[in-house]
Amino acid sequence: DAGITQSPRHKVTETGTPVTLRCHQTENHRYMYWYRQDPGHGLRLIHYSYGVKDTDKGEVSDGYSVSRSKTEDFLLTLESATSSQTSVYFCAISDRGADQPQHFGDGTRLSIL
Amino acid sequence: GQQLNQSPQSMFIQEGEDVSMNCTSSSIFNTWLWYKQDPGEGPVLLIALYKAGELTSNGRLTAQFGITRKDSFLNISASIPSDVGIYFCAVLKLRRANNLFFGTGTRLTVIP
Repeated sequence: DAGITQSPRHKVTETGTPVTLRCHQTENHRYMYWYRQDPGHGLRLIHYSYGVKDTDKGEVSDGYSVSRSKTEDFLLTLESATSSQTSVYFCAISDRGADQPQHFGDGTRLSIL
Repeated sequence: GQQLNQSPQSMFIQEGEDVSMNCTSSSIFNTWLWYKQDPGEGPVLLIALYKAGELTSNGRLTAQFGITRKDSFLNISASIPSDVGIYFCAVLKLRRANNLFFGTGTRLTVIP
């Protein structure tokens, strides 16, 4: 495994509640990413980080925020969860240097009722 | 918008058969990757391709980076039950932070 831990692995919550997902890495990689995976859409990038306190939006960032206060942790927050955010969320990491591949965690299954 | 078209969307094959799947784009990309996702797990990198025309093998897997830089294919020889899963192609979309863009996947089922 690439030293990536996602928590929680499963969560069920109600519409309108805040939700925070955590990604923790032990590889000291510079780049971290949050994706969502939905049937028919593959993996879509939500936000990514290119260093501590440096983050940027991906293709489906609306309704999500992120924070990276330490190299090893990247948090994804849904401020007010909606049913459309029910999905499987994956964290990935990549080392510095051109063309370094991304390595993925095992995902968090989030259901919003 | 940008799209990576993977085909076929799903495949059912007998154990021992060879498998071929491909991925095409309307844009040129200089790095192509193939990932496999087992049920309940995250995608795992199989093969990375960095040079147009490059043919790379990883055990029973062979992948090629198309000469036009708009496509790639993945072959699996002598399939086995553990080959079951979803295969994704991906391209390096932005060199900044090594950002990738993924195809929608090919779901492979191997019948013993």
